[in-house]
Amino acid sequence: GALVYQYPRRTICKSGTSMRMECQAVGFQATSVAWYRQSPQKTFELIALSTVNSAIKYEQNFTQEKFPISHPNLSFSSMTVLNAYLEDRGLYLCGARDRDSGNTLYFGEGSRLIVV
Amino acid sequence: GNSVTQMQGQVTLSEEEFLFINCTYSTTGYPTLFWYVQYPGEGPQLLLKVTTANNKGSSRGFEATYDKGTTSFHLQKASVQESDSAVYYCVLGPDTNAYKVIFGKGTHLHVLP
Repeated sequence: GALVYQYPRRTICKSGTSMRMECQAVGFQATSVAWYRQSPQKTFELIALSTVNSAIKYEQNFTQEKFPISHPNLSFSSMTVLNAYLEDRGLYLCGARDRDSGNTLYFGEGSRLIVV
Repeated sequence: GNSVTQMQGQVTLSEEEFLFINCTYSTTGYPTLFWYVQYPGEGPQLLLKVTTANNKGSSRGFEATYDKGTTSFHLQKASVQESDSAVYYCVLGPDTNAYKVIFGKGTHLHVLP
């Protein structure tokens, strides 16, 4: 089956420092990866959509300078939260799209960022 | 633009009761529709999906029909169990007009034993 692993599961970082999170697709080829942030109210914000061999599309209010993403191959993507502050807290989710199952997104369990 | 609306923020039921979670969508295309479920401490998991209008998807006793006439994709289950307690998201998949996957706000189902 299709599995997505995210790590670290949880990070506590000091305000102004950075956190890198990774996303690994197992059992399928992740042609595109969508990074989301889930708020405490459980709503999802799309940060960016990354497709292998294409430019990364960032949503309004999210920039490459703040959330640089790397998607070097069909099984791995990483995103860094640079200069994290309180408003960056939340659960960051990686949703990987399986090329062979249409538009289904498979999610990891998320990387929770706590800023102190 | 494309959008998804889930009306209920929280639903509380007793075991074996009937579940109905309302979902309507707005789109000009023909996207795939999904329901995802998120248990505490986990990421969202695919519950079911329907790619074609007027078709029904089902999984683990849950059902949803892709109704283009009413632009709805309501989730139903005849008899809920305590283990069904989770947050349920109605999701609009991308189509030729849009690349984004759009999540509803989620409905928190709490099933009492």
